[in-house]
Amino acid sequence: EPEVTQTPSHQVTQMGQEVILRCVPISNHLYFYWYRQILGQKVEFLVSFYNNEISEKSEIFDDQFSVERPDGSNFTLKIRSTKLEDSAMYFCASSELATSYEQYFGPGTRLTVT
Amino acid sequence: LAKTTQPISMDSYEGQEVNITCSHNNIATNDYITWYQQFPSQGPRFIIQGYKTKVTNEVASLFIPADRKSSTLSLPRVSLSDTAVYYCLVGETGGFKTIFGAGTRLFVKA
Repeated sequence: EPEVTQTPSHQVTQMGQEVILRCVPISNHLYFYWYRQILGQKVEFLVSFYNNEISEKSEIFDDQFSVERPDGSNFTLKIRSTKLEDSAMYFCASSELATSYEQYFGPGTRLTVT
Repeated sequence: LAKTTQPISMDSYEGQEVNITCSHNNIATNDYITWYQQFPSQGPRFIIQGYKTKVTNEVASLFIPADRKSSTLSLPRVSLSDTAVYYCLVGETGGFKTIFGAGTRLFVKA
């Protein structure tokens, strides 16, 4: 069964450093998403991406965040200057259609900012 | 996006049927109802989606009354491995923004 993959599984970085989280969505999917989940809290929407541009973004997704689909398979989330409060699990998801909430989530990247 | 209300937590025993109800009084005509399951340290997993009446798949059933102001996720004969958080989402399926609520934490006991 096809699945979304994410790398790395765990990233430790120092405050102020840039990090790039990588995702490989399911190959025939056209819609891509990033979410985060702070430990013990709910899943928070960050951004959705379609046709090489951002479709929607939340208030969390400020100028420190950016997304890119650098090639036909990868989808990345960049945090330019990490803060302590960016420590969270980051989940990538993809869906075949925008006309469905049937999104497939990756296993997540645990980001720890020290 | 319609606001949803679910119980914060539920307890059950192995082998029982579990019904989790979600209220969504402001559901719009174009909105679908979708349920996800999340295990600790894993991403949410799609369970089921419906618009009205009843939908069933190999994992669960979803019951939606005629007024669509609520929905019930039914898990038949739960096992310990069904211990997870269950999220009810309501929104237009053409929308790009997905909002998760706090979910219902289901704890299945032996």
